[in-house]
Amino acid sequence: NAGVTQTPKFRILKIGQSMTLQCTQDMNHNYMYWYRQDPGMGLKLIYYSVGAGITDKGEVPNGYNVSRSTTEDFPLRLELAAPSQTSVYFCASSYSYGQDSGLDEQFFGPGTRLTVL
Amino acid sequence: TQLLEQSPQFLSIQEGENLTVYCNSSSVFSSLQWYRQEPGEGPVLLVTVVTGGEVKKLKRLTFQFGDARKDSSLHITAAQTGDTGLYLCAGARGSQGNLIFGKGTKLSVKP
Repeated sequence: NAGVTQTPKFRILKIGQSMTLQCTQDMNHNYMYWYRQDPGMGLKLIYYSVGAGITDKGEVPNGYNVSRSTTEDFPLRLELAAPSQTSVYFCASSYSYGQDSGLDEQFFGPGTRLTVL
Repeated sequence: TQLLEQSPQFLSIQEGENLTVYCNSSSVFSSLQWYRQEPGEGPVLLVTVVTGGEVKKLKRLTFQFGDARKDSSLHITAAQTGDTGLYLCAGARGSQGNLIFGKGTKLSVKP
């Protein structure tokens, strides 16, 4: 199993450009997540999905959109890139029975390092 | 306001030394996880603690969950250079909550 894969690894955007960060998992996990990690700030949840066709906002959703048309894929869309979106983005997945997310192991991808200039 | 405070923020030690890092909160968590993240990679789960007062050992790593389920600690015995990385704690607040991550402790173990 490849686990969680993310593309691209690095990207530089100009202010106002748009892009999609790709995330795919091959573990048949029902839950998927997008986090951003800023230097010295830990991980902040952007969006998450508990299954195909279902998405919900996390702590910092502004400026982002997601979709979950299949179990495997969970792309993150930036419509109008801003310097504040410069960060490292991590996609994660887990298998959850929905009882308590804190009991689930989240598997993370290697990250996408995005710079907006 | 950071819900989970980790300390110290940075720690640099020599190989063979012991160390403890802390994860504290004023809130109660139903469970708490510890992850390790190496440079250029995503975090990897080390352990999940669920019961107040629980102690779990993973080779040279000892994890403890506070009796009141508001804090946790990670103790490493005889640190090795391979222990270098960012240690993140993450707490859940029951069935309706997602994981809340602390800012992490960046550990550097020098040979």
